[in-house]
Amino acid sequence: DAEITQSPRHKITETGRQVTLACHQTWNHNNMFWYRQDLGHGLRLIHYSYGVQDTNKGEVSDGYSVSRSNTEDLPLTLESAASSQTSVYFCASSDSDRSSYEQYFGPGTRLTVT
Amino acid sequence: AQSVTQLGSHVSVSEGALVLLRCNYSSSVPPYLFWYVQYPNQGLQLLLKYTTGATLVKGINGFEAEFKKSETSFHLTKPSAHMSDAAEYFCAVRQAGNQFYFGTGTSLTVIP
Repeated sequence: DAEITQSPRHKITETGRQVTLACHQTWNHNNMFWYRQDLGHGLRLIHYSYGVQDTNKGEVSDGYSVSRSNTEDLPLTLESAASSQTSVYFCASSDSDRSSYEQYFGPGTRLTVT
Repeated sequence: AQSVTQLGSHVSVSEGALVLLRCNYSSSVPPYLFWYVQYPNQGLQLLLKYTTGATLVKGINGFEAEFKKSETSFHLTKPSAHMSDAAEYFCAVRQAGNQFYFGTGTSLTVIP
């Protein structure tokens, strides 16, 4: 069965370190998204991609970057981790074909920045 | 800009009682509407969606929602709550393009 996987599931890092969160999908979807989930804010879009070599900034992109070198993967990098980036991060994907519409979510990565 | 409002960040119902979770959106054109459910320590799972056609849509686990254009609402209901329904519920809107806009979520507690 097709799926989205995220790794690691839990990560503790120190302020100032670079951190990369992995997202891999086997749906063969063109569109991929990164969100962060914080209490009281719901899900906020960080970055998204509509295809290989395409990346776009979302609502809360400062301090984050992504790259899309193939269809399956969209890694999220925190250039210099800050305590404000402690959060749960979700990756999602969707098909460009309008007949499917919904986004499919990974299990999430809980990141703690100390 | 698109926005999604979920009234009530916490809702408690007794087991067997009606579940009603409210969602209103701002949109100048008919959107695609979704409800997702999130169980503890898990990702979001699609509960149901409205794209076109019938405005009353049925989803998994006995949930349904009605798209009311005049009220810009998409409230989620279930006639009889079960303990297993306790979770976080998110309303989302998708417009032109592929971006989603999520509400802030409603935590549902089911009291035995």
